[in-house]
Amino acid sequence: DQQVKQNSPSLSVQEGRISILNCDYTNSMFDYFLWYKKYPAEGPTFLISISSIKDKNEDGRFTVFLNKSAKHLSLHIVPSQPGDSAVYFCAASLSGGFKTIFGAGTRLFVKA
Amino acid sequence: KAGVTQTPRYLIKTRGQQVTLSCSPISGHRSVSWYQQTPGQGLQFLFEYFSETQRNKGNFPGRFSGRQFSNSRSEMNVSTLELGDSALYLCASSLQGSEQYFGPGTRLTVT
Repeated sequence: DQQVKQNSPSLSVQEGRISILNCDYTNSMFDYFLWYKKYPAEGPTFLISISSIKDKNEDGRFTVFLNKSAKHLSLHIVPSQPGDSAVYFCAASLSGGFKTIFGAGTRLFVKA
Repeated sequence: KAGVTQTPRYLIKTRGQQVTLSCSPISGHRSVSWYQQTPGQGLQFLFEYFSETQRNKGNFPGRFSGRQFSNSRSEMNVSTLELGDSALYLCASSLQGSEQYFGPGTRLTVT
Protein backbone atom coordinates (compact mmCIF):
# COMPACT_ATOMS: atom_id res chain seq x y z
CA ASP A 1 0.00 0.00 0.00
CA GLN A 2 1.80 3.07 -1.27
CA GLN A 3 0.72 6.01 0.82
CA VAL A 4 2.91 8.42 -1.13
CA LYS A 5 2.96 8.13 -4.90
CA GLN A 6 5.09 9.75 -7.53
CA ASN A 7 3.55 8.53 -10.75
CA SER A 8 6.16 9.92 -13.12
CA PRO A 9 9.39 7.91 -12.96
CA SER A 10 11.20 10.49 -15.05
CA LEU A 11 10.87 14.01 -16.43
CA SER A 12 12.94 15.82 -19.05
CA VAL A 13 13.05 19.63 -19.18
CA GLN A 14 15.01 22.20 -21.15
CA GLU A 15 17.39 24.43 -19.21
CA GLY A 16 15.71 27.70 -18.20
CA ARG A 17 12.20 26.25 -18.32
CA ILE A 18 10.00 25.22 -15.42
CA SER A 19 10.19 21.73 -13.91
CA ILE A 20 7.04 20.48 -12.19
CA LEU A 21 7.26 17.32 -10.11
CA ASN A 22 4.08 15.85 -8.74
CA CYS A 23 3.21 13.77 -5.71
CA ASP A 24 -0.04 12.28 -4.40
CA TYR A 25 -0.76 10.89 -0.97
CA THR A 26 -3.59 8.84 0.47
CA ASN A 27 -3.41 9.39 4.22
CA SER A 28 -5.25 12.59 5.15
CA MET A 29 -3.55 12.52 8.55
CA PHE A 30 -0.20 13.51 7.02
CA ASP A 31 0.52 17.06 8.11
CA TYR A 32 4.09 17.68 7.01
CA PHE A 33 5.51 17.22 3.54
CA LEU A 34 9.06 17.33 2.29
CA TRP A 35 11.06 17.11 -0.90
CA TYR A 36 14.51 15.59 -1.08
CA LYS A 37 17.01 15.54 -3.91
CA LYS A 38 19.37 12.65 -4.51
CA TYR A 39 22.46 12.48 -6.67
CA PRO A 40 24.04 9.11 -7.55
CA ALA A 41 26.27 7.63 -4.86
CA GLU A 42 25.02 10.14 -2.29
CA GLY A 43 22.27 10.10 0.31
CA PRO A 44 19.18 12.26 -0.25
CA THR A 45 19.45 15.89 0.80
CA PHE A 46 16.58 17.94 2.17
CA LEU A 47 15.28 20.52 -0.28
CA ILE A 48 12.10 22.15 0.94
CA SER A 49 9.12 21.37 3.15
CA ILE A 50 5.59 22.51 3.79
CA SER A 51 3.23 22.20 6.71
CA SER A 52 -0.40 21.28 6.11
CA ILE A 53 -1.49 24.66 7.42
CA LYS A 54 0.04 26.29 4.35
CA ASP A 55 -0.61 25.87 0.66
CA LYS A 56 2.64 27.29 -0.65
CA ASN A 57 6.25 27.56 0.45
CA GLU A 58 8.99 29.20 -1.54
CA ASP A 59 12.77 29.02 -1.29
CA GLY A 60 14.68 30.63 -4.12
CA ARG A 61 14.05 28.73 -7.33
CA PHE A 62 12.04 26.06 -5.51
CA THR A 63 8.36 26.32 -4.63
CA VAL A 64 6.17 23.61 -3.14
CA PHE A 65 2.40 23.75 -3.50
CA LEU A 66 0.01 21.75 -1.37
CA ASN A 67 -3.60 20.96 -2.29
CA LYS A 68 -5.04 19.18 0.72
CA SER A 69 -8.46 18.55 -0.77
CA ALA A 70 -6.85 16.74 -3.67
CA LYS A 71 -4.13 15.18 -1.47
CA HIS A 72 -1.61 16.47 -3.96
CA LEU A 73 1.61 18.40 -3.76
CA SER A 74 3.98 19.61 -6.40
CA LEU A 75 7.50 20.98 -6.59
CA HIS A 76 8.22 23.76 -9.08
CA ILE A 77 11.77 24.59 -10.10
CA VAL A 78 12.17 27.85 -11.99
CA PRO A 79 14.39 28.27 -13.89
CA SER A 80 15.67 24.74 -14.22
CA GLN A 81 19.42 24.26 -14.38
CA PRO A 82 21.50 21.26 -15.52
CA GLY A 83 22.73 20.86 -11.92
CA ASP A 84 19.14 20.16 -10.90
CA SER A 85 19.34 16.82 -12.70
CA ALA A 86 18.79 14.28 -9.92
CA VAL A 87 16.17 12.01 -8.41
CA TYR A 88 13.55 13.90 -6.40
CA PHE A 89 11.71 12.18 -3.57
CA CYS A 90 8.46 13.38 -2.11
CA ALA A 91 7.90 12.49 1.55
CA ALA A 92 5.09 12.83 4.06
CA SER A 93 4.93 12.48 7.80
CA LEU A 94 2.60 12.76 10.76
CA SER A 95 3.03 15.28 13.55
CA GLY A 96 6.54 15.19 14.86
CA GLY A 97 7.74 13.42 11.74
CA PHE A 98 8.65 10.29 13.62
CA LYS A 99 7.80 8.10 10.66
CA THR A 100 8.37 9.53 7.22
CA ILE A 101 6.95 7.83 4.14
CA PHE A 102 8.76 8.38 0.85
CA GLY A 103 7.55 8.13 -2.71
CA ALA A 104 9.38 6.10 -5.34
CA GLY A 105 11.12 9.17 -6.76
CA THR A 106 11.12 11.05 -10.06
CA ARG A 107 14.31 11.33 -12.08
CA LEU A 108 14.66 14.84 -13.49
CA PHE A 109 16.83 15.49 -16.54
CA VAL A 110 17.58 19.13 -17.32
CA LYS A 111 19.01 19.48 -20.81
CA ALA A 112 21.44 22.27 -21.58
CA LYS B 1 29.36 19.83 12.10
CA ALA B 2 30.24 16.50 10.62
CA GLY B 3 27.48 14.86 8.63
CA VAL B 4 25.93 11.46 9.03
CA THR B 5 28.47 8.71 8.48
CA GLN B 6 27.79 5.12 7.56
CA THR B 7 30.14 2.17 7.55
CA PRO B 8 30.97 0.22 5.58
CA ARG B 9 30.17 1.92 2.28
CA TYR B 10 30.14 -1.32 0.30
CA LEU B 11 29.58 -4.89 1.37
CA ILE B 12 29.30 -8.22 -0.39
CA LYS B 13 27.78 -11.16 1.46
CA THR B 14 26.45 -14.56 0.52
CA ARG B 15 22.98 -15.92 1.13
CA GLY B 16 22.40 -17.13 4.68
CA GLN B 17 25.01 -14.88 6.24
CA GLN B 18 24.26 -11.99 8.51
CA VAL B 19 25.42 -8.40 8.31
CA THR B 20 25.70 -5.40 10.63
CA LEU B 21 25.66 -1.86 9.34
CA SER B 22 26.67 1.15 11.39
CA CYS B 23 25.49 4.75 11.44
CA SER B 24 26.82 7.76 13.32
CA PRO B 25 24.31 10.64 13.38
CA ILE B 26 25.04 14.34 13.37
CA SER B 27 26.17 15.48 16.79
CA GLY B 28 23.15 16.40 18.89
CA HIS B 29 20.66 14.45 16.78
CA ARG B 30 18.86 11.83 18.83
CA SER B 31 16.57 10.41 16.17
CA VAL B 32 18.00 7.89 13.72
CA SER B 33 16.00 6.24 10.96
CA TRP B 34 16.94 3.47 8.56
CA TYR B 35 15.70 3.04 5.00
CA GLN B 36 16.14 0.48 2.25
CA GLN B 37 16.37 1.78 -1.29
CA THR B 38 15.89 -0.51 -4.26
CA PRO B 39 15.37 0.49 -7.91
CA GLY B 40 11.80 1.61 -8.51
CA GLN B 41 10.78 1.23 -4.86
CA GLY B 42 11.95 4.50 -3.44
CA LEU B 43 12.96 4.59 0.18
CA GLN B 44 11.29 1.93 2.26
CA PHE B 45 11.16 2.76 5.96
CA LEU B 46 12.78 0.14 8.20
CA PHE B 47 12.73 1.63 11.69
CA GLU B 48 13.37 4.72 13.74
CA TYR B 49 15.16 5.05 17.05
CA PHE B 50 15.09 7.84 19.57
CA SER B 51 17.06 7.82 22.81
CA GLU B 52 17.86 4.12 22.46
CA THR B 53 14.18 3.19 21.95
CA GLN B 54 12.59 1.96 18.75
CA ARG B 55 9.65 4.31 18.16
CA ASN B 56 8.49 3.17 14.75
CA LYS B 57 8.92 0.11 12.60
CA GLY B 58 8.22 -0.50 8.93
CA ASN B 59 6.85 -3.61 7.26
CA PHE B 60 10.00 -5.70 7.14
CA PRO B 61 10.48 -9.25 8.43
CA GLY B 62 12.03 -9.94 11.79
CA ARG B 63 15.36 -10.71 10.12
CA PHE B 64 15.84 -6.95 10.10
CA SER B 65 16.66 -5.50 13.48
CA GLY B 66 18.40 -2.50 14.89
CA ARG B 67 19.51 -0.77 18.01
CA GLN B 68 20.72 2.58 19.21
CA PHE B 69 23.41 3.28 21.73
CA SER B 70 23.59 5.95 24.40
CA ASN B 71 25.74 8.14 22.14
CA SER B 72 22.95 7.96 19.49
CA ARG B 73 25.01 5.80 17.16
CA SER B 74 22.89 3.10 15.59
CA GLU B 75 23.40 -0.32 14.09
CA MET B 76 21.22 -2.33 11.80
CA ASN B 77 21.44 -6.09 11.52
CA VAL B 78 20.10 -8.39 8.85
CA SER B 79 20.23 -12.11 9.53
CA THR B 80 19.89 -15.00 7.10
CA LEU B 81 20.50 -12.80 4.10
CA GLU B 82 18.45 -13.32 0.95
CA LEU B 83 19.23 -12.19 -2.60
CA GLY B 84 16.37 -9.70 -2.37
CA ASP B 85 18.13 -7.92 0.48
CA SER B 86 20.59 -6.45 -2.00
CA ALA B 87 19.98 -2.72 -1.78
CA LEU B 88 21.29 0.63 -0.65
CA TYR B 89 20.72 1.05 3.08
CA LEU B 90 20.41 4.63 4.18
CA CYS B 91 20.57 6.07 7.64
CA ALA B 92 19.17 9.48 8.49
CA SER B 93 19.31 11.57 11.63
CA SER B 94 17.17 14.44 12.80
CA LEU B 95 16.58 16.61 15.81
CA GLN B 96 12.90 16.04 16.43
CA GLY B 97 11.94 13.93 13.45
CA SER B 98 11.50 16.83 11.05
CA GLU B 99 14.00 17.33 8.22
CA GLN B 100 16.27 14.34 8.02
CA TYR B 101 19.93 14.35 7.17
CA PHE B 102 21.05 11.29 5.29
CA GLY B 103 24.33 9.48 5.20
CA PRO B 104 25.85 8.26 1.92
CA GLY B 105 24.46 4.78 2.45
CA THR B 106 25.83 1.26 2.53
CA ARG B 107 25.56 -0.69 -0.72
CA LEU B 108 24.86 -4.31 0.21
CA THR B 109 25.17 -7.01 -2.43
CA VAL B 110 24.01 -10.53 -1.59
CA THR B 111 25.28 -13.28 -3.87
